[in-house]
Amino acid sequence: QKEVEQNSGPLSVPEGAIASLNCTYSDRGSQSFFWYRQYSGKSPELIMSIYSNGDKEDGRFTAQLNKASQYVSLLIRDSQPSDSATYLCAPGEGYALNFGKGTSLLVTP
Amino acid sequence: DTGVSQDPRHKITKRGQNVTFRCDPISEHNRLYWYRQTLGQGPEFLTYFQNEAQLEKSRLLSDRFSAERPKGSFSTLEIQRTEQGDSAMYLCASSLVGENSPLHFGNGTRLTVT
Repeated sequence: QKEVEQNSGPLSVPEGAIASLNCTYSDRGSQSFFWYRQYSGKSPELIMSIYSNGDKEDGRFTAQLNKASQYVSLLIRDSQPSDSATYLCAPGEGYALNFGKGTSLLVTP
Repeated sequence: DTGVSQDPRHKITKRGQNVTFRCDPISEHNRLYWYRQTLGQGPEFLTYFQNEAQLEKSRLLSDRFSAERPKGSFSTLEIQRTEQGDSAMYLCASSLVGENSPLHFGNGTRLTVT
């Protein structure tokens, strides 16, 4: 079963700062990763996907994948209070994955 | 693409009763997953289908839980003889087959067992 580990936080950053969320994974064969955002009481929603080593940027979000070190990260630039949520990472074909608690992010005004 | 639909949104039941939830996936998605989530925890995998075949079921899943996807479209999750510990959000997700296919989640069904 594919496993990931994330620091559960809470990670607190001031508005306008860069939030950095990290995820390590156990399966060297994982080729793709997804980041989901989950607001309290809501279901997870996909915000970023990354399929190859390196960086992928989408607006204020940048996903970084390092297969050699088996970690994937999500950077949120110009953090806004509306970014306050729990962020979950998951590998592709990770259907049997228990997501873990994710990382709780709090952006303070 | 109307998204993943779950019904009901909320269910309150008394301990010992049976409950059934329904999930309608995105129409072209052949994979369908069920997860359970309690407060402060991430989604916990329960089971998944590819078309009508149930390919994997969590070893932690009690035999009071059963899921079906009879025609490879919608799915039902039934919990028999509910217990207070079954109170949780039940999430359904769907996807295409393949490593590059993310999960698309429904809004969930919140179960409260009194």
